[in-house]
Amino acid sequence: GQNIDQPTEMTATEGAIVQINCTYQTSGFNGLFWYQQHAGEAPTFLSYNVLDGLEEKGRFSSFLSRSKGYSYLLLKELQMKDSASYLCAVRGGYNTDKLIFGTGTRLQVFP
Amino acid sequence: EAGVTQFPSHSVIEKGQTVTLRCDPISGHDNLYWYRRVMGKEIKFLLHFVKESKQDESGMPNNRFLAERTGGTYSTLKVQPAELEDSGVYFCASSQDQGFSGYTFGSGTRLTVV
Repeated sequence: GQNIDQPTEMTATEGAIVQINCTYQTSGFNGLFWYQQHAGEAPTFLSYNVLDGLEEKGRFSSFLSRSKGYSYLLLKELQMKDSASYLCAVRGGYNTDKLIFGTGTRLQVFP
Repeated sequence: EAGVTQFPSHSVIEKGQTVTLRCDPISGHDNLYWYRRVMGKEIKFLLHFVKESKQDESGMPNNRFLAERTGGTYSTLKVQPAELEDSGVYFCASSQDQGFSGYTFGSGTRLTVV
């Protein structure tokens, strides 16, 4: 079957670093996406990994290990506005364009 | 550029009624997707259009759901007749290159069937 697991909730302090993990078991793999979603708003694209390794983009970095079916999103220098849900999604194969989502991780940043 | 636009943002209808949701993708994006999030669950794929053609409709729950994209621009998703379990947030997304540079999502339509 298709399964994406990520923690339901996390908390962190402003200025700190937080790592949100995602593990996946899918019948195929053609890339992993991270999205940020504030309540009532559209999911916003953060990162895309298709090869193993770390992709860095400003305060956000994303890592992928295909052999372990594992990814993480690293957020540095946390700000209050980073309080949101973070969605991990896998594109399931070369012959499909659909994303398989996890349930999302709700991150709360405290002052 | 304008983002993906969906309307209405909210809809409350009675069981058995019909509702039509609309999505305007980013101009020039040939790929349009519908997803749904039922309360407490993950976002799930419904279908994928390439221009006006249905590329993949494997996620459509049943024949009460009808999606169209006449002319390859905006898309509509009709639910007829609506059932209680259809309640949720319906998201639309678009991409120009099958998502390799990311999919852009709309804010969603929150549908409540009472």
